[in-house]
Amino acid sequence: KNQVEQSPQSLIILEGKNCTLQCNYTVSPFSNLRWYKQDTGRGPVSLTIMTFSENTKSNGRYTATLDADTKQSSLHITASQLSDSASYICVVSDGSNYQLIWGAGTKLIIKP
Amino acid sequence: GAVVSQHPSWVICKSGTSVKIECRSLDFQATTMFWYRQFPKQSLMLMATSNEGSKATYEQGVEKDKFLINHASLTLSTLTVTSAHPEDSSFYICSARPSLNTEAFFGQGTRLTVV
Repeated sequence: KNQVEQSPQSLIILEGKNCTLQCNYTVSPFSNLRWYKQDTGRGPVSLTIMTFSENTKSNGRYTATLDADTKQSSLHITASQLSDSASYICVVSDGSNYQLIWGAGTKLIIKP
Repeated sequence: GAVVSQHPSWVICKSGTSVKIECRSLDFQATTMFWYRQFPKQSLMLMATSNEGSKATYEQGVEKDKFLINHASLTLSTLTVTSAHPEDSSFYICSARPSLNTEAFFGQGTRLTVV
């Protein structure tokens, strides 16, 4: 069964600190993996999208990694800011029908 | 990136009435759009896939007669919640992709409250 699991479920860190969010998936065949940021009451906004051959992709202070062999991905946030408080969702695209398989998200809270 | 506009951003309606939500891709054509529902503290749940010029494909458990989807053009899809009930209160989000394996762009969402 195609699944995407994220950890931790929630995370609280102090402003300025770094953090890493995890994503494990069992989607097969694999097309691509995406990380989205969703502010409360808003639609998701894309951070990164990685295909099978990409190991790392950065978007400002966000760096995503992908290990297609172990089917794991991580999102690293550097020098966190208060505006980083949001839910971060890992989404994997099924290569057979391009359906998006959604993780439950990690709720990140940045405290001053 | 590309822009998907969703309207209205919030709506309050009485039980038994119908509500229409619009989703527009502003700077690209989307033969396929997606409608999601999100309950508090949960991730997005795909409700249906909207195909331009043909019937929508609904996910298991989603009532097609209650959630009417019309994809009238390559840039517009609408979701109508018919005979709304309080349990239909939720956050509805649309998404559009220029093609199936490309980036998905999301609308800002519609908060529906049925009283």
